[in-house]
Amino acid sequence: KAGVTQTPRYLIKTRGQQVTLSCSPISGHRSVSWYQQTPGQGLQFLFEYFSETQRNKGNFPGRFSGRQFSNSRSEMNVSTLELGDSALYLCASRLTGDYNSPLHFGNGTRLTVT
Amino acid sequence: TQLLEQSPQFLSIQEGENLTVYCNSSSVFSSLQWYRQEPGEGPVLLVTVVTGGEVKKLKRLTFQFGDARKDSSLHITAAQPGDTGLYLCAGAYNQGGKLIFGQGTELSVKP
Repeated sequence: KAGVTQTPRYLIKTRGQQVTLSCSPISGHRSVSWYQQTPGQGLQFLFEYFSETQRNKGNFPGRFSGRQFSNSRSEMNVSTLELGDSALYLCASRLTGDYNSPLHFGNGTRLTVT
Repeated sequence: TQLLEQSPQFLSIQEGENLTVYCNSSSVFSSLQWYRQEPGEGPVLLVTVVTGGEVKKLKRLTFQFGDARKDSSLHITAAQPGDTGLYLCAGAYNQGGKLIFGQGTELSVKP
């Protein structure tokens, strides 16, 4: 069974640009969560989608948005990039919507904003 | 806002030593998960604890969930260089609707 796939693995963008990250969950998994990981802040929750609906959202500005498609694949978009957006963005899927069930993570997209 | 305090943040030990990592919160968890992350990869689940007082063992790793379900610990016996990595605890809250991660413990085991 293929794991969670995130593309691209690396991205370099300039301040003010926008970026779209993609995540393909494990087949059959309906929940997709996004996290931002930085050395200083650890893993910060961005949002979670379940059956194409955003079910929960973290404390990030509106520049961060996402969506989920009918095949459970998800995209995350960041507009008007800032230097502080440089981070590892992790996508994780779970089989059900139960928050107690484990997350299966992809290897992340490393975003560098210059 | 629910917070998970994880300690220590960094740990550098010699092969063969024992260590304990702690995860604490003022809130009650419905469950707590421990993950391990290696450089260039995403976190991988080690264990989930659900019941207060629960103890789970995974080879040389022992996980404990506090009786009040507000804290947890990870104990590694006779650490090996292969245990090197970032250890993360993550708590699920009944009211929170999301999984909250601690800051992580960066473990380095030197041969």
